[in-house]
Amino acid sequence: EAGVAQSPRYKIIEKRQSVAFWCNPISGHATLYWYQQILGQGPKLLIQFQNNGVVDDSQLPKDRFSAERLKGVDSTLKIQPAKLEDSAVYLCASSFGQWGETQYFGPGTRLLVL
Amino acid sequence: AQTVTQSQPEMSVQEAETVTLSCTYDTSESNYYLFWYKQPPSRQMILVIRQEAYKQQNATENRFSVNFQKAAKSFSLKISDSQLGDTAMYFCAYLYTGANSKLTFGKGITLSVRP
Repeated sequence: EAGVAQSPRYKIIEKRQSVAFWCNPISGHATLYWYQQILGQGPKLLIQFQNNGVVDDSQLPKDRFSAERLKGVDSTLKIQPAKLEDSAVYLCASSFGQWGETQYFGPGTRLLVL
Repeated sequence: AQTVTQSQPEMSVQEAETVTLSCTYDTSESNYYLFWYKQPPSRQMILVIRQEAYKQQNATENRFSVNFQKAAKSFSLKISDSQLGDTAMYFCAYLYTGANSKLTFGKGITLSVRP
């Protein structure tokens, strides 16, 4: 069984530029999560999708971050414009069900904003 | 609100020895899961082991086992026969099984296995 796929693995941009990350969850997993992990900290949930609907985006900085999950499979997370403090690893995870299910993580995208 | 505490920022162990990583959590719920995730330098978050709160038996996965003390809200991870590949950051995490649940992580502990 293929795991969660993410691309790109690394990205370096200058502040005020835009960037997009892509995630493909495990086949059959209805729930998809995007996390932000600052160096030395645990991951922080940005947004949770159930199929193609948003379940929780309370910690997503909506003035600059956006995410979509068209057709309830792949998802894209965008940052526009990027700030220095957005430098982090962006992790995508998926789970079979909506609540209380084990989450499986992708390899992450490491973003550096200069 | 649920919290997960990992008070040891880093630990070191000799290859082939046993090490125990500590974790405590706080919750008023009775139905939940606890996890240990491993994050090597590649930054991929890998599930190591999962414990259901309703199960009294401690979970084991090969060289990894947990000591789950529900009353004390303690959840430690024991790694036996440590290997160089075990070098990573380890996160303890809590997940309530009901609606609106969020996976809550501790701050993590850096484990170094010495050859």
